[in-house]
Amino acid sequence: AQSVTQPDIHITVSEGASLELRCNYSYGATPYLFWYVQSPGQGLQLLLKYFSGDTLVQGIKGFEAEFKRSQSSFNLRKPSVHWSDAAEYFCAVMMEYGNKLVFGAGTILRVKS
Amino acid sequence: DTEVTQTPKHLVMGMTNKKSLKCEQHMGHRAMYWYKQKAKKPPELMFVYSYEKLSINESVPSRFSPECPNSSLLNLHLHALQPEDSALYLCASSPLWSGETFPNEQFFGPGTRLTVL
Repeated sequence: AQSVTQPDIHITVSEGASLELRCNYSYGATPYLFWYVQSPGQGLQLLLKYFSGDTLVQGIKGFEAEFKRSQSSFNLRKPSVHWSDAAEYFCAVMMEYGNKLVFGAGTILRVKS
Repeated sequence: DTEVTQTPKHLVMGMTNKKSLKCEQHMGHRAMYWYKQKAKKPPELMFVYSYEKLSINESVPSRFSPECPNSSLLNLHLHALQPEDSALYLCASSPLWSGETFPNEQFFGPGTRLTVL
């Protein structure tokens, strides 16, 4: 069965510093991968997605992610974090049947000034 | 219009009440979803509707009853809930083509915060 692991529950970075959030997936076939962001009490906003092709994917708000099949990873990066990036970030894999999304446990990002 | 709207934003109900959550989208999407998100947890899929027909029920208790009256609307009827059902209920929609599932982006609404007393 598909699963997603986000090993970091909390991450704190200084404003202006670079960021990398880790995501590992378990899936037998070609994975369809997503990163969503959620501010407290809000819905989820899609940052970026990977279906096929170029393994470096650009998203909104200056985020990018790199798909590495050999490592079963899809890590999210941002070169310079802004205070407004503080939120919870979810990595997800989509199952082919029924468009079902399976989410990782999430990583809470704190930004210190 | 690229929005999924959900009403109400907040709902407090007793265990004997009957209430409904509403979700609406006007993006022409033919797949709609209900997710439940407990505090400090990721969203978990409850139901999927494809072409207004229930295609996935993730073994959700019968006190939750979904309904898709048309391609733009999705309801979740609630009856005899328990305090542990308190959560953020998220609705999402996505495109479908030719009756096949594709890896399509799901657009999420802001959610309804439900508290069961």
